[in-house]
Amino acid sequence: DTEVTQTPKHLVMGMTNKKSLKCEQHMGHRAMYWYKQKAKKPPELMFVYSYEKLSINESVPSRFSPECPNSSLLNLHLHALQPEDSALYLCASSQDGRGWTFGSGTRLTVV
Amino acid sequence: GESVGLHLPTLSVQEGDNSIINCAYSNSASDYFIWYKQESGKGPQFIIDIRSNMDKRQGQRVTVLLNKTVKHLSLQIAATQPGDSAVYFCAEPPMEYGNKLVFGAGTILRVKS
Repeated sequence: DTEVTQTPKHLVMGMTNKKSLKCEQHMGHRAMYWYKQKAKKPPELMFVYSYEKLSINESVPSRFSPECPNSSLLNLHLHALQPEDSALYLCASSQDGRGWTFGSGTRLTVV
Repeated sequence: GESVGLHLPTLSVQEGDNSIINCAYSNSASDYFIWYKQESGKGPQFIIDIRSNMDKRQGQRVTVLLNKTVKHLSLQIAATQPGDSAVYFCAEPPMEYGNKLVFGAGTILRVKS
């Protein structure tokens, strides 16, 4: 299995909702990432988990809460989001700084 | 801070022509670079990579050139096809494990039939 799987593919949520994005990989990669991408812009890093521990938080607002339950799973919990948080959320994984693999993303719309 | 950037935001080419997408980087210590293709609604897809001990690397219809003197790399696509239409990013993997992958600004490639 050489894929990073993200669910759901599309999500529409209200500003008072709580939702979660999920990411899964079975390549044995020990680093996993959340990126946010706005239209016609490069992906921007949000969080890095290394060996299931949060190693980088790029000053992301607390309404985004990451979680890494085990070495194969990465979640992003969403609460009280704003319309400007609408974007494509990408999950990625890597091993030894190589083999970077991205999922297809979750297209999030906040209404 | 260190960054990876692109010269041209949009490139339009005729089907069958060759395409060249450029990228500049600022960290002279960088030793590895990746080119990604991102189609609409999809995540970045690995195309080709190159290490700093190489000047050129070829794949299927793609070639990456690295000029360390001027800190520049390019992606050449031969006989460009409509399916090549996408956004192309150069990216610089971190030198430390678990650090972030830095993306360039991206170039939109449009292939005209």
